[in-house]
Amino acid sequence: DGGITQSPKYLFRKEGQNVTLSCEQNLNHDAMYWYRQDPGQGLRLIYYSQIVNDFQKGDIAEGYSVSREKKESFPLTVTSAQKNPTAFYLCASSMTSVAYEQYFGPGTRLTVT
Amino acid sequence: EDQVTQSPEALRLQEGESSSLNCSYTVSGLRGLFWYRQDPGKGPEFLFTLYSAGEEKEKERLKATLTKKESFLHITAPKPEDSATYLCAVQANFNKFYFGSGTKLNVKP
Repeated sequence: DGGITQSPKYLFRKEGQNVTLSCEQNLNHDAMYWYRQDPGQGLRLIYYSQIVNDFQKGDIAEGYSVSREKKESFPLTVTSAQKNPTAFYLCASSMTSVAYEQYFGPGTRLTVT
Repeated sequence: EDQVTQSPEALRLQEGESSSLNCSYTVSGLRGLFWYRQDPGKGPEFLFTLYSAGEEKEKERLKATLTKKESFLHITAPKPEDSATYLCAVQANFNKFYFGSGTKLNVKP
């Protein structure tokens, strides 16, 4: 089955620790995205990548980092510099970055205490 | 300023009671408008893409329409399983995506 997987589903960390969220897709999509979703708010774009070894900052990139070494994988690191890391994180992919729908993974809920 | 606004924030319907959800947008250079369904604790599920004013798409009890300033998601004779949050997203110039905050639909049996 083609799709996007995110792991883990739930993640707990202590304040001050970096944590990496996994995102893998087998849809052969070129573009991948990371969003953050908070209660009552729309999805906010953290980073996106249109091609391997290239990525751009979204609207709320501060305190996050990404890599795109393989077409299938786009991991997100939440660093200790992110002031409010507790949120629901969603990974998405699309065929290209222009005028194509995005397909989303199941999400990772990160709780930092 | 580019933005997407969805209304109402929440909608409660009786089973079989048809209604519409609204997504209004102000963006520079619309490249596409997308509708998604999101169940609690899950990722959004893609429903429709609309590209130009006048376009319509249908799927089961859902029908999406697009004008130059807004899109409507019409729900005909909804069932309890249609209960979810419906998200609208717009892609504008420079490949920027903007999401609305969603309409939470609750269909009572």
